[in-house]
Amino acid sequence: EIVLTQSPGTLSLSPGERATLSCRASQSVSSSYLAWYQQKPGQAPRLLIYGASSRATGIPDRFSGSGSGTDFTLTISRLEPEDFAVYYCQQYGSSPLVTFGGGTKVEIK
Amino acid sequence: QVQLVQSGAEVKKPGASVKVSCKASGYTFTGYYMHWVRQAPGQGLEWMGRINPNSGGTNYAQKFQGRVTMTRDTSISTAYMELSRLRSDDTAVYYCARFVAVAGTYWFDPWGQGTLVTVSS
Repeated sequence: EIVLTQSPGTLSLSPGERATLSCRASQSVSSSYLAWYQQKPGQAPRLLIYGASSRATGIPDRFSGSGSGTDFTLTISRLEPEDFAVYYCQQYGSSPLVTFGGGTKVEIK
Repeated sequence: QVQLVQSGAEVKKPGASVKVSCKASGYTFTGYYMHWVRQAPGQGLEWMGRINPNSGGTNYAQKFQGRVTMTRDTSISTAYMELSRLRSDDTAVYYCARFVAVAGTYWFDPWGQGTLVTVSS
């Protein structure tokens, strides 16, 4: 069973700062099967990144994804007020069929 | 635009069943798998299973095997998730999400707005 571990659990930053979020898999994951989502309070998750590094439609270029194998990273180059939220990584294809990481909360410092 | 609209909040007693609907619009319903994901209060996302709207075939997470049933009605482009023998720890927001597969990459988009299911005596 693939487990996705996200770190840190909480990231306290100021607007304008750079955020680096980590997602580590217990086994190798194909980059094609790794996605990132943003979730704000009371809202459904929203797709940010698919294929580990491709931005979804309408996602600003301050969001970028990278990584391969067992280590993946979501970077927000300069935090905007609307970026403070919880971020989840997700893999598809290995047992179980879909797994989510535990999430990283990006909060205002 | 592509949209998933779910049924409203439910309050159920322990031992009862709940059935949540997810109506799709803006795309060919039978062309994309539909998945169900839940989120307990203050917790992360938990995958429950999927249905192929074209064939009706399903795959469930092991944790929910025997308690969950996913169905669909193609005539009204609606998917359903029924969870039986409810317990208090089934209290959660339940989401449907369209699964997109393009050129060997895969993702969920969009998601329904969520349905809060509260299990309480």
